[in-house]
Amino acid sequence: GQNIDQPTEMTATEGAIVQINCTYQTSGFNGLFWYQQHAGEAPTFLSYNVLDGLEEKGRFSSFLSRSKGYSYLLLKELQMKDSASYLCAVTDSNYQLIWGAGTKLIIKP
Amino acid sequence: ETGVTQTPRHLVMGMTNKKSLKCEQHLGHNAMYWYKQSAKKPLELMFVYSLEERVENNSVPSRFSPECPNSSHLFLHLHTLQPEDSALYLCASSQDDSSGANVLTFGAGSRLTVL
Repeated sequence: GQNIDQPTEMTATEGAIVQINCTYQTSGFNGLFWYQQHAGEAPTFLSYNVLDGLEEKGRFSSFLSRSKGYSYLLLKELQMKDSASYLCAVTDSNYQLIWGAGTKLIIKP
Repeated sequence: ETGVTQTPRHLVMGMTNKKSLKCEQHLGHNAMYWYKQSAKKPLELMFVYSLEERVENNSVPSRFSPECPNSSHLFLHLHTLQPEDSALYLCASSQDDSSGANVLTFGAGSRLTVL
């Protein structure tokens, strides 16, 4: 079967750096997404990786290793507003989007 | 309005009621989706409409009935639901270009409670 694994919950301190990991086993690969979802709000797109390497967007970076079936989302200079759930999703060979259960990130002062 | 709008935001219904969820997108996208989101579970794709035609129905019970009258509007008709159907129902849209890079724009969801 197809599977996306990510930690259920993580805690970090304001101003620090946190890395949220995502591993996947899918039938084929056509890209990996990260979405952010604040409580009670819509998920919003953060990043898309289809080639190996690091993509940086301001305080957020996303890394992909296709050979390892692995990605991470790196958040720097954490702010209280970064408290949210982070969803990892992979597009498989049939262009179906497979979702992880999300990682709830709690930021403490 | 811009983006994807869902109404109602909250809905409580009995198992014998009939209600509908509404979704509207103002982005000019050609595909719309219904997802079910339950606590600590992955998003479950329920229905996909591309160019107003249903292209996917992931074995969803018949008590859920979608309707897509045009490319901007999507409905989810609900009848004789079960308590386990209580969840957040998310609508999304995208510009489907048959690549792996379709970015979804989500609505804020309709929180459904079935008593």
